[in-house]
Amino acid sequence: EVQLVESGGGLVQPGGSLRLSCAASGFTFSGYSMNWVRQAPGKGLEWISYITSSSANIYYADSVKGRFTIFRDNAKNSLYLQMNSLRDEDTAIYYCARCVGEVVPFDYWGQGTLVTVSS
Amino acid sequence: DIQMTQSPSTLSASVGDRVTITCRASQSISTWLAWYQQKPGKAPKLLIYKASSLESGVPSRFSGSGSGTEFTLTISSLQPDDFATYYCQQYNTYWTFGQGTKVEIK
Repeated sequence: EVQLVESGGGLVQPGGSLRLSCAASGFTFSGYSMNWVRQAPGKGLEWISYITSSSANIYYADSVKGRFTIFRDNAKNSLYLQMNSLRDEDTAIYYCARCVGEVVPFDYWGQGTLVTVSS
Repeated sequence: DIQMTQSPSTLSASVGDRVTITCRASQSISTWLAWYQQKPGKAPKLLIYKASSLESGVPSRFSGSGSGTEFTLTISSLQPDDFATYYCQQYNTYWTFGQGTKVEIK
């Protein structure tokens, strides 16, 4: 069974940093591209970052470019999101989601981890 | 950037109703469109991909159509488990979601 489990969320002050993790199991992690998608409280879904299976290609939404860094460790079956210079508007549930490439949808999602940016 | 606009934002319907949700893209995306269902406190679930292909395990009462800039998701006979929020997503150029359509009990 495919499982994606996010962790690392919490309360952080504006300007602070946080690192999210996504632990994958039930599939060959190194064979899939991965994404981070977020959802502000009561709002819709926003794709924020993508990484290919080998980390060769990485993309970011303009809203997080230069502040967030996506990376992965295939040996540990894990995906990460390093979030720096956090703003109030970064408050959201952060989901990791799997896809098989670039022109494809997301077929499996984790349950999400809540990040709250507030003083 | 490609913008996705869904309508309506909220839809009130009864069990057994036929329900249609529309999604419009700001430029042509061919058939690179997916539909997701999200229930409160849960992750989104993929229902439809490539505009009209049903994801494995999804009930056949769900169907999708369209190409270019206009797309629809239809639920042929609404079931109690279908009350949820539905999102379209383009994956022609990066990934962009519509703002969502909440299907609520009438």
